[in-house]
Amino acid sequence: AQKITQTQPGMFVQEKEAVTLDCTYDTSDQSYGLFWYKQPSSGEMIFLIYQGSYDEQNATEGRYSLNFQKARKSANLVISASQLGDSAMYFCAMRDYNAGNMLTFGGGTRLMVKP
Amino acid sequence: DVKVTQSSRYLVKRTGEKVFLECVQDMDHENMFWYRQDPGLGLRLIYFSYDVKMKEKGDIPEGYSVSREKKERFSLILESASTNQTSMYLCASSFPGQGLNIQYFGAGTRLSVL
Repeated sequence: AQKITQTQPGMFVQEKEAVTLDCTYDTSDQSYGLFWYKQPSSGEMIFLIYQGSYDEQNATEGRYSLNFQKARKSANLVISASQLGDSAMYFCAMRDYNAGNMLTFGGGTRLMVKP
Repeated sequence: DVKVTQSSRYLVKRTGEKVFLECVQDMDHENMFWYRQDPGLGLRLIYFSYDVKMKEKGDIPEGYSVSREKKERFSLILESASTNQTSMYLCASSFPGQGLNIQYFGAGTRLSVL
């Protein structure tokens, strides 16, 4: 079974600094996808970034980048130049293509950006 | 823009009541999902559906059922609500297949069972 671990329940970062949110995963399959979602206090889950297991380059989307280390089974999210609006819950998730395309989520990290 | 709409943001029910949570999507997605979210546990899949009238159990289906009579609508049913079903419920939809098939989420329903 797949498992996603986010070891940081809560984190603070100073505005304009970069921050790394950790995510490790466990799977025996070779084909899978990794996702990061943001959940602000409004409750809606917002898709941020995706990395396929066969993608050679680390994914980037604006201020978000995914530090994908396949051998270590880690997929850390890096947010550059933090903004107050980045304060939210962040969830790492994995889709295992051999397990019905379901998403398995980690427990989440609450990020708080200090002005 | 994809829109996934959940009928209620907040709901308060009594123990033993039958509860319906409704979800509608407007992107013609085949797949629809119901999750519950609890602090520290992330999102856990209750049920999903990959077509009209089709449903599959997720990780925590006990105490829940679902209905999908139309492609755009996926309902979660609590036959007899219990206090341990107090939680945030999130609906999502997506296209099928591998790769970047993003699951789009609704805003969630915060259910309290008293």
